[in-house]
Amino acid sequence: DTAVSQTPKYLVTQMGNDKSIKCEQNLGHDTMYWYKQDSKKFLKIMFSYNNKELIINETVPNRFSPKSPDKAHLNLHINSLELGDSAVYFCASSQNRGTEAFFGQGTRLTVV
Amino acid sequence: GESVGLHLPTLSVQEGDNSIINCAYSNSASDYFIWYKQESGKGPQFIIDIRSNMDKRQGQRVTVLLNKTVKHLSLQIAATQPGDSAVYFCAEILTGGGNKLTFGTGTQLKVEL
Repeated sequence: DTAVSQTPKYLVTQMGNDKSIKCEQNLGHDTMYWYKQDSKKFLKIMFSYNNKELIINETVPNRFSPKSPDKAHLNLHINSLELGDSAVYFCASSQNRGTEAFFGQGTRLTVV
Repeated sequence: GESVGLHLPTLSVQEGDNSIINCAYSNSASDYFIWYKQESGKGPQFIIDIRSNMDKRQGQRVTVLLNKTVKHLSLQIAATQPGDSAVYFCAEILTGGGNKLTFGTGTQLKVEL
């Protein structure tokens, strides 16, 4: 059983489109995250949710809107996609105040 | 061999040798410092952590050293194996600050046979 699963794995779309990435964790964790990894492999946190409540929002454009329907799910919706949004997006989860975060396999988003 | 993880340098080592990957961190208030391993096409995977009040912690074939005076963290891998080839990231966390996990730039480890 996959601990943190995100779909789709690959996403190719045109500029201006709206897309969503879904994430689910079956670990019973309280905290979920979205990270963006650029072409230089730099990992930057975007959002963190704890028990469905937004805890961290790291100066991400308003076009990015996370939604957590329950503590096992954290989805990411992106409006009006831009070329600079091309990256690998990782979902992760951890216990509250835990140091070990479990990452999904990533979604490679390519905006053309 | 040694490397500083400030850009995305590559550290090449021979199979069986020891590897040392270095990292400079920025936030003295962080509670824990952590090493992650990312294999090609996969998400980062937790290796080992160290609490800020410790200076050394050992795991299976890995040792993490923390020098708070110079804000330096290192990961030592003993008897490096081909399966150790990956990008290694140091990270820091403030558990009381929303559990924000902040990653440093990675280091590519290549194990030569």
